[in-house]
Amino acid sequence: EPEVTQTPSHQVTQMGQEVILRCVPISNHLYFYWYRQILGQKVEFLVSFYNNEISEKSEIFDDQFSVERPDGSNFTLKIRSTKLEDSAMYFCASAPGQGSTTNEKLFFGSGTQLSVL
Amino acid sequence: GQNIDQPTEMTATEGAIVQINCTYQTSGFNGLFWYQQHAGEAPTFLSYNVLDGLEEKGRFSSFLSRSKGYSYLLLKELQMKDSASYLCAVSHMTTDSWGKLQFGAGTQVVVTP
Repeated sequence: EPEVTQTPSHQVTQMGQEVILRCVPISNHLYFYWYRQILGQKVEFLVSFYNNEISEKSEIFDDQFSVERPDGSNFTLKIRSTKLEDSAMYFCASAPGQGSTTNEKLFFGSGTQLSVL
Repeated sequence: GQNIDQPTEMTATEGAIVQINCTYQTSGFNGLFWYQQHAGEAPTFLSYNVLDGLEEKGRFSSFLSRSKGYSYLLLKELQMKDSASYLCAVSHMTTDSWGKLQFGAGTQVVVTP
C-alpha cells in the first residue's frame, strides 16, 4: 500500500532556530495537511493545502509557520524560530481528490518528533 | 464551540468485545472517523461514517447517529495487538475538504490475557 513518508523521524533543535520538516505525500493525492500532537495530548490540525495554496489554518499556525510544496513530490513545514512549546510529534497527511472512491481516507505519515531545547 | 468526548481508558480481556463511545457537539458536521494509534506511531484509519447506521469491517464496526451526536466503535474478538489508543475525529463541513479533522483525546484500550 502506498504511504506518506516523513523525514527526519527525530529532530532536535535549539530554541530560536529554524527547522524544516519534510514530507512526501502519496503521489496521486491532491490535499495535504500538517497535524501535531504534543505528548499526552490530542492530535491537532495545523494547516491544509490544496492547489498550491493554504486552504485553511488553525490558530496554532501563526506567522512562525509556513508550508511549501517546492516540487511535485515534497511538502514541507517550516518553523522559523522554534519555541519550547513547539516540541511535539508532527504528522503530515494526504488525501486523494474528492472524486476518488477512497476519499474517506486521510493517510498519515509516521511523524517527526521535534524536540526544542 | 466544538467538543468531542470519549472515555479515557477501557480494559478488556482477550477474545472479548469492547465498545468505545464518542459524543460530539459541533457545527457543520460532515462525517466521523475512527483511528487507531499505537504509542509513538501515526494514527491509522479504521472507519468513516457519514450517514446514520452501522458500518462493519471485519472485527471492527462503527455506528453513527447524527441526530444524537453519537458514535461508537465496536471491537470484537479482541487480540493483544488491539491494545492502543482509539481516536474519534469529526470532519467539518465548513472547510474546503474533509481533511480538517477535530480529534478527541482518545480512548486507551488495554487488552489483558
